This record gives sequence, C-alpha cells and structure tokens, in this order.
Amino acid sequence: DGGITQSPKYLFRKEGQNVTLSCEQNLNHDAMYWYRQDPGQGLRLIYYSQIVNDFQKGDIAEGYSVSREKKESFPLTVTSAQKNPTAFYLCASSIDLRTGVMNTEAFFGQGTRLTVV
Amino acid sequence: AQSVTQLGSHVSVSEGALVLLRCNYSSSVPPYLFWYVQYPNQGLQLLLKYTTGATLVKGINGFEAEFKKSETSFHLTKPSAHMSDAAEYFCAVSEGGATNKLIFGTGTLLAVQP
Repeated sequence: DGGITQSPKYLFRKEGQNVTLSCEQNLNHDAMYWYRQDPGQGLRLIYYSQIVNDFQKGDIAEGYSVSREKKESFPLTVTSAQKNPTAFYLCASSIDLRTGVMNTEAFFGQGTRLTVV
Repeated sequence: AQSVTQLGSHVSVSEGALVLLRCNYSSSVPPYLFWYVQYPNQGLQLLLKYTTGATLVKGINGFEAEFKKSETSFHLTKPSAHMSDAAEYFCAVSEGGATNKLIFGTGTLLAVQP
C-alpha cells in the first residue's frame, strides 16, 4: 500500500543535541512538507520541497534543517538552535507532476512526538 | 497572504445532534479548501475537499461542507453525531500550483456526549 512513513513515533532529545526525524513516501509525490503541531496552534509549516535537491523555508524554519536527496525521502533535523523543540511533527506529501493536477490534497504520516528531556 | 479562521476551539454536541464546525478563509486567489480529521497521536486524514465545481461537497463518514464565496466560508456539517466523531478537525486552504502549500486553522476539538 502507498503511504507516508515517519519514524520514530516517539523521540527524546537532550539539551544541546541534534536529532533527525525520518519521512519516507512511496506515493511518487514531488512535493513534501514538514509541519509542527502545538496544542491550540494548529499546524505550522517548517519547510517544504517541490522537487529533489530543492527546498524552501516555511513560516517557522529557524532551528531546523532539511535535505531532499531522493524523491522518496525528506528528513528533518531539529538542531540545538531550536529552543523549544517539544512538539508533534507531521510530514506530508502531495502532487504527482506527471498527472498535471496541482490542486490535490496532502497526505500525512502518523507523526513523530519529540520531547526534550 | 492566505489564512484560515476556525471559530470555536472546543465544540460539544450530544450523540445524534447536528455537528457544525465553522471555517472562514482569506485568499487573494480562488482557494482550494480542505477539512481534515485527527485522532489522538495520529496523522491527519482528509474528510473532504473543494477545488472547483459544485459548492456542496460530500466527504467520508457522513460529513459535508459548502463553499460560500460571498461569505468566505467553508463550514463542516454532519446531520447526526456519532461517538466515533470525537476528534480534532482542521480546516485548510491552498492556492494550489506546484508548491500546493496548505495553510491550516488552529483546529476545533469535537466532543460527543452520550
């Protein structure tokens, strides 16, 4: 079955440590996204990528970094510069450019809950 | 810039009662609109979407929404609530295009009382 896989489901980070969240999709989607979810704030866009080897900052990119070396993969690194990293992180993907359909919904992974200890 | 406002962070209804979750949007271009549902500690699942065409959109689990351009609204309704509808609901807007970024509202937590 096609879908988006995020790992790990739970992650604990010590102060000053970088951690990387994995996101893999087999939907053949070109666009991928990372959102951060905090209670009462909805989902906020961290980074997005339209195509391999290209990505753009979203609304809250500070303290985060990404890479897009493969179409299927879009890992997110939470760096030590992110002062309040405890949150629920969601990866999503959309758009298969071969279809030419641009107004499609985004498909989401099951999320990674990151906690600072 | 696009934005979404969801009125009411918490809504409580009785089982069998009408569900109405409100969503208003702001967009400088014809919007694409979405409703997603989230169960605890899970990802988001699409309920329904409006892109073009018919303004009354039907989705999964008996939900529907109506796009009203004059009111810039896309409210979600269900005639009769079920206990399994208890979840958080998010409205989102997109301009489409190659980036297709979704901008989300802050969510509405729906409680269903027996």
